[in-house]
This record gives sequence, structure tokens and C-alpha cells, in this order.
Amino acid sequence: AQTVTQSQPEMSVQEAETVTLSCTYDTSESDYYLFWYKQPPSRQMILVIRQEAYKQQNATENRFSVNFQKAAKSFSLKISDSQLGDAAMYFCAYGQGGKLIFGQGTELSVKP
Amino acid sequence: GAVVSQHPSRVICKSGTSVKIECRSLDFQATTMFWYRQFPKQSLMLMATSNEGSKATYEQGVEKDKFLINHASLTLSTLTVTSAHPEDSSFYICSARGLAGALYEQYFGPGTRLTVT
Repeated sequence: AQTVTQSQPEMSVQEAETVTLSCTYDTSESDYYLFWYKQPPSRQMILVIRQEAYKQQNATENRFSVNFQKAAKSFSLKISDSQLGDAAMYFCAYGQGGKLIFGQGTELSVKP
Repeated sequence: GAVVSQHPSRVICKSGTSVKIECRSLDFQATTMFWYRQFPKQSLMLMATSNEGSKATYEQGVEKDKFLINHASLTLSTLTVTSAHPEDSSFYICSARGLAGALYEQYFGPGTRLTVT
């Protein structure tokens, strides 16, 4: 079965600095999707960024970018110029067959 | 953008009773809806997938007789927790995928906090 592992339960970053959240996954499939979701205190899930496994180019969305290493099964999220509003739980997710499998989450705090 | 609502946002029920949670897609038709469960400070665990007009597909370990899912229309899915017990207390989140949506284009509801006393 596919698994998603986030080894950092908590991370902290200074406002305006850069932080990287780690994620590894285990799969024997070659065609799949990877996602980062943000869950603020409101508990509303928000899609941050998506990566298709067949694409070698790393996805980027404004201040958010990923480092996708398919062979290593690693999918980290880099947040640049961190803002107070970035404070939230971040979940890495693996998608296949229409389903999403989530990692344990990383709680990110942003210090002013 | 696509909006998914859940009702109620919070519910408290007594042990042994049943409680129904609604998930609605407000501005699109959802062919598929997903139900997740989230414990405090933990991940989202997929409970089941429901397609409009057909029986839900439950994940391994989820009791289908306890968590009844109905997806009778393209805008509404319901989760009924039957004979609820304190261990069923959790945060329940639904998501929906539209008719023309990409395979992983899921829109999440705001969640329902269930407390069983």
C-alpha cells in the first residue's frame, strides 16, 4: 500500500525567511500525482500546489515551489518570503486512482 | 470557485444515537464525493468514496454498517453515524469532484466536529 511520511511534526520560520517542509512516499506505481495542502486553524483544506509524476519540471505557485525527486520518492515544499498567514498545518498527499492519501502533517509557525 | 458546504458544523449527540452529516456542492455537480475523518493534530483518513446513484466504496477497516453513506443526487451526500459511541468523536470532512473536474480536483468542505457524550 502507498504511504506518505512527513518526518517533521513541527517547523518554525521567521517572517520573510524561507522554509522547506519534507515529504517522502512509497509506491510501486509510475503514474501518480503529489500535492501539498494547507489547513489553517479554520480547518478548511486549501490546495497549495500539485505535481504530476510524469513531469520532470518542479511545480511553482508564486512563493511556493516543490523539489520533486522521483527516484528518491521525495517531494518537499519550499515556502519563500514566509508570511504570518502561512502559519498552518501542511499535509503532503499522494494521489492515485482518484484517491488521496495524506501524510501526518507538519505544523508550521511563523514568527514575526 | 467551487464551494462545498457541510451541515452541521458542530454536533453533540448522546451515546447510542445516530447523527447525520450533510455535504453539499453549492455551485457544481459532484459525481464523486469523499468522506474523511481527522483526529486532533492528525492526518485525514479516507473513509469512503461515493458516486452518485451507486453504493459507496469503503476503505479497509471502516465499518460500512456504522458509517452509512448516501449519495442520492449530484449535489448532496450524507454520512450517518449509527449508534454513535465516544470513540466516534472526531472531525469529519467531505470533498467533492465535479462532472468536468480533473481526476484530483477535489473541493473540500469546512468539516463537521462530532462529539459523542
